[in-house]
Amino acid sequence: GNSVTQMEGPVTLSEEAFLTINCTYTATGYPSLFWYVQYPGEGLQLLLKATKADDKGSNKGFEATYRKETTSFHLEKGSVQVSDSAVYFCAPHGSSNTGKLIFGQGTTLQVKP
Amino acid sequence: KAGVTQTPRYLIKTRGQQVTLSCSPISGHRSVSWYQQTPGQGLQFLFEYFSETQRNKGNFPGRFSGRQFSNSRSEMNVSTLELGDSALYLCASSLAPEANTIYFGEGSWLTVV
Repeated sequence: GNSVTQMEGPVTLSEEAFLTINCTYTATGYPSLFWYVQYPGEGLQLLLKATKADDKGSNKGFEATYRKETTSFHLEKGSVQVSDSAVYFCAPHGSSNTGKLIFGQGTTLQVKP
Repeated sequence: KAGVTQTPRYLIKTRGQQVTLSCSPISGHRSVSWYQQTPGQGLQFLFEYFSETQRNKGNFPGRFSGRQFSNSRSEMNVSTLELGDSALYLCASSLAPEANTIYFGEGSWLTVV
């Protein structure tokens, strides 16, 4: 089945720094790819998605590009804010005919003023 | 448009008891999945339902069960609770299993004492 590997955290940055959180996956076929964010004490919020190769998902200044050749979906943001402090999860679809998501271990981001 | 609604949000149970958690998906969504989130194991897939049928099941013991009703609302039940069942239980909904937009609820925090 599909699997995903995320960079280990925590990632600690100063406000306005550039953010990259690496995500690579193994998959049969070309699953849709998602980034979710979880703020303390809350559920998961869909941050962005990409459904096919070379698609770029973007939202709230975050971007990720579906790279089929490197099986990666790295999350980037040009200038982080303290309010971006959260746990970020990369997740491919389990397979083409299921709603099951395969989650990595999550990457904790701490942004300091 | 209301989001995914999970009830109860917080509950405390004693070992050996059973618990039922409820999930109301976004209106029009017919696919519901459940996940368990713990600090040690991360996010693990429990089940997926579509049109009242279980399509996928994760690697959990038979004490974990679920169902989906004709209005797409779903419940999960855990019997004979163990301390290790303490977790955040998250419900996700989508239009259909292969849909590429999946939304999560805020979760139900279960503590087993």
